[in-house]
Amino acid sequence: AQSVAQPEDQVNVAEGNPLTVKCTYSVSGNPYLFWYVQYPNRGLQFLLKYITGDNLVKGSYGFEAEFNKSQTSFHLKKPSALVSDSALYFCAVRDGYGGATNKLIFGTGTLLAVQP
Amino acid sequence: DGGITQSPKYLFRKEGQNVTLSCEQNLNHDAMYWYRQDPGQGLRLIYYSQIVNDFQKGDIAEGYSVSREKKESFPLTVTSAQKNPTAFYLCASHRKTGLGGNTIYFGEGSWLTVV
Repeated sequence: AQSVAQPEDQVNVAEGNPLTVKCTYSVSGNPYLFWYVQYPNRGLQFLLKYITGDNLVKGSYGFEAEFNKSQTSFHLKKPSALVSDSALYFCAVRDGYGGATNKLIFGTGTLLAVQP
Repeated sequence: DGGITQSPKYLFRKEGQNVTLSCEQNLNHDAMYWYRQDPGQGLRLIYYSQIVNDFQKGDIAEGYSVSREKKESFPLTVTSAQKNPTAFYLCASHRKTGLGGNTIYFGEGSWLTVV
């Protein structure tokens, strides 16, 4: 069965410092990995995804994520945090074994708090 | 503009009432989903539909019902059998092609509160 874990409920970082939000996954086949951001009372916004190819994926708002197959991880990173990055971040995975009909499984979310 | 439209944004339900949340998309997406999000928590899948006139139960389908009569519409009814319906409800959709790398897109959500 596929699963995804976000081990930190909250990450605190000072503005201007680099940030990392962690995500690990478990799938049977090749993973399709996604990051989403949610601002209060809003829907989820797509940030980036890994399908295949380069392990470093660049996305919206200066975010990037690194796919590490040996560690089954897909951590979200940004070189310099902004106060406006404060939000709830979700990692998600779809198992490539079985194709596009597989459901997308979401982590429990990590609240990112960037202090001025 | 293309996108997923959910309505209403805020809805109040009395005990014993059924209410229906609307979800419409003009993205020509095949698959549509309903998720429930409780405050400070993750997403839980209620129902999903891969094609018109077909849908499957998710992880927490009890007390909910859906229909998929048109490709662009996937309404969710919260019935009186749902004992704790107060939550934020999210509709989502994606194309159904390829091997699974399709991005799922979300609407802006609907708040349902029992009064």
